[in-house]
Amino acid sequence: SSELTQDPAVSVALGQTVRITCQGDSLRSYYASWYQQKPGQAPVLVIYGKNNRPSGIPDRFSGSSSGNTASLTITGAQAEDEADYYCNSRDSSGNHLYVFGTGTKVTVL
Amino acid sequence: QLQLQESGPGLVKPSETLSLTCTVSGGSISSSSYYWGWIRQPPGKGLEWIGSIYYSGSTYYNPSLKSRVTISVDTSKNQFSLKLSSVTAADTAVYYCARLGNNWNYDDNWFDPWGQGTLVTVSS
Repeated sequence: SSELTQDPAVSVALGQTVRITCQGDSLRSYYASWYQQKPGQAPVLVIYGKNNRPSGIPDRFSGSSSGNTASLTITGAQAEDEADYYCNSRDSSGNHLYVFGTGTKVTVL
Repeated sequence: QLQLQESGPGLVKPSETLSLTCTVSGGSISSSSYYWGWIRQPPGKGLEWIGSIYYSGSTYYNPSLKSRVTISVDTSKNQFSLKLSSVTAADTAVYYCARLGNNWNYDDNWFDPWGQGTLVTVSS
């Protein structure tokens, strides 16, 4: 089965830009979706597809992809963006199986 | 607005079967556009996809759990359920249900919305 690898932790100064990456073979064939999870809360979808934001997600969140790497960028990070972020995609087997990334803790300084 | 709510016992004994139900409100589980999924998160750890089901009953399971997992759907109650057998302490986790959306050729998939999650502890 596929694996999706993320950096464990990144930090960003308030108002600056941070990029979170997700690497895995499945990303050559499938888009990643991205989820924000704050302590004690359920994950929330922030980006899916080529670069789609669900209703209510600020436009400072954007997504991109190249080869086996998907990225989530927060442009002008806010204090409320401090959270864990997970990527997700279909498994590279081609079956309707899914895999989540290892997660990245984003700290806003 | 679509909402999902997990329900079931918060404590299960080792070797027994964990049973949870997800109730969907504000929309129909029989929509042809979506699958429905279960995801879990052990305390302090990451997310793990458990499995997904279509309203027709088609299922897909995580290979690492496949031998112990059964997901079923009850369209009359707008619910889908999870059963995980022979549980151990390693199955202690917050269990989430979520709607699984996709595009026409399934190369784009997303879980949205999620239920609030329910903590299941495996202990004697």
